[in-house]
Amino acid sequence: QSALTQPASVSGSPGQSLTMSCTGTSSDVGGYNYVSWYQQHPGKAPKLMIYDVSNRPSGVSNRFSGSKSGNTASLTISGLQTEDEADYYCASYTSTTTFLVFGGGTKLTVL
Amino acid sequence: QVQLVESGGGVVQPGRSLRLSCAASGFTFSTYGMHWVRQTPGKGLEWVTIISYDGSSKYYADSVKGRFTISRDNSKNTLYLQMNSLRVEDTAMYYCARGGYGDNVLDDWGQGTLVTVSS
Repeated sequence: QSALTQPASVSGSPGQSLTMSCTGTSSDVGGYNYVSWYQQHPGKAPKLMIYDVSNRPSGVSNRFSGSKSGNTASLTISGLQTEDEADYYCASYTSTTTFLVFGGGTKLTVL
Repeated sequence: QVQLVESGGGVVQPGRSLRLSCAASGFTFSTYGMHWVRQTPGKGLEWVTIISYDGSSKYYADSVKGRFTISRDNSKNTLYLQMNSLRVEDTAMYYCARGGYGDNVLDDWGQGTLVTVSS
């Protein structure tokens, strides 16, 4: 199965807002509101940041928000902080022969 | 609090088998679907497999279908991944994760166990 498409890297300055994308197909991102986003710092396990396109788990900062339009989902981080520097992965339920598919990941650099 | 602890990783030759375990605590294990996700060193996440809360449904990534088998023992609060016919490309950190907020959402993760397939 093909991974969802994410930009390899994005960057921003502290305090800025930034949006990263996750593009799939009608069999995954576009067909269901089951997109989630994960943050991973080096050497650490991933952490859930957004689920079901736009829902935040308890404990996750409201600076993180998610949305979707057609086959593309987006994660927006407002008021960038240095600790936001990490890899971000999107994932989606898929109606293909498997169940879940991840994006290739986006490395966020906070300059 | 939720705790997931993987074990069983190590170095294994191509073609051999290995079984990973994931010990769960801090939640009612028997009511959650569970996943295995892997990550090649320096690369991205790859979803591997899911098992439903009662073990009745299982799905696999195409890359492991027919070689890997997920199972669970709800009496022991433990998740397993039996990996057969291992290949060099199976080398990765293997994470177990809980399917919270719905089976498709991985809301808690273990710290991972490293599997190295090498001759």
